[in-house]
Amino acid sequence: DQQVKQNSPSLSVQEGRISILNCDYTNSMFDYFLWYKKYPAEGPTFLISISSIKDKNEDGRFTVFLNKSAKHLSLHIVPSQPGDSAVYFCAASERQTGANNLFFGTGTRLTVIP
Amino acid sequence: DAGVTQSPTHLIKTRGQQVTLRCSPKSGHDTVSWYQQALGQGPQFIFQYYEEEERQRGNFPDRFSGHQFPNYSSELNVNALLLGDSALYLCASKHGGAADTQYFGPGTRLTVL
Repeated sequence: DQQVKQNSPSLSVQEGRISILNCDYTNSMFDYFLWYKKYPAEGPTFLISISSIKDKNEDGRFTVFLNKSAKHLSLHIVPSQPGDSAVYFCAASERQTGANNLFFGTGTRLTVIP
Repeated sequence: DAGVTQSPTHLIKTRGQQVTLRCSPKSGHDTVSWYQQALGQGPQFIFQYYEEEERQRGNFPDRFSGHQFPNYSSELNVNALLLGDSALYLCASKHGGAADTQYFGPGTRLTVL
């Protein structure tokens, strides 16, 4: 069973606009969430994370929002740039239980059109 | 500062064979995890090694085994290969027992014919 879900396989956005990538999870024990970006022929690269004690974390053009009641998080990229075109994975872990393996979604392919 | 490195980059095997994949963690990291990423899927956790012992294991059969060496590098071994084992195998490292962010290597693409 997929505990982390990314229901949009792909997203296209014009350069300079906002990109919003969504992620849902089912396991209420998840307390730490991460976004990774993956280019072809490379491993996933860490982008940004958020703890369940927060509802927002910002790092430059990237902001992650967490809605615990809805078990939903989103990644906002503003402004979007062509170099942001990649596959984005949402991941979650249960830090409080000491388990720190990551559960990943299936990814969303973002294409930023110049 | 070298990141996570993996070898080989690509590998082709036939059903029933055995394979060994290798990983060197990022400098300063002592914990290594292995993930399998099938085509069109997200990475799935295989197991994690810390202090040369398997600390945690995902839902993978015993055909998947591993090892961590005193220098923190790690190997993933898969016996009796099946067609379904074809995937990108990713190694990730982090520091110690703290639940820090994991950093991934470029992966090894395994094809089983």
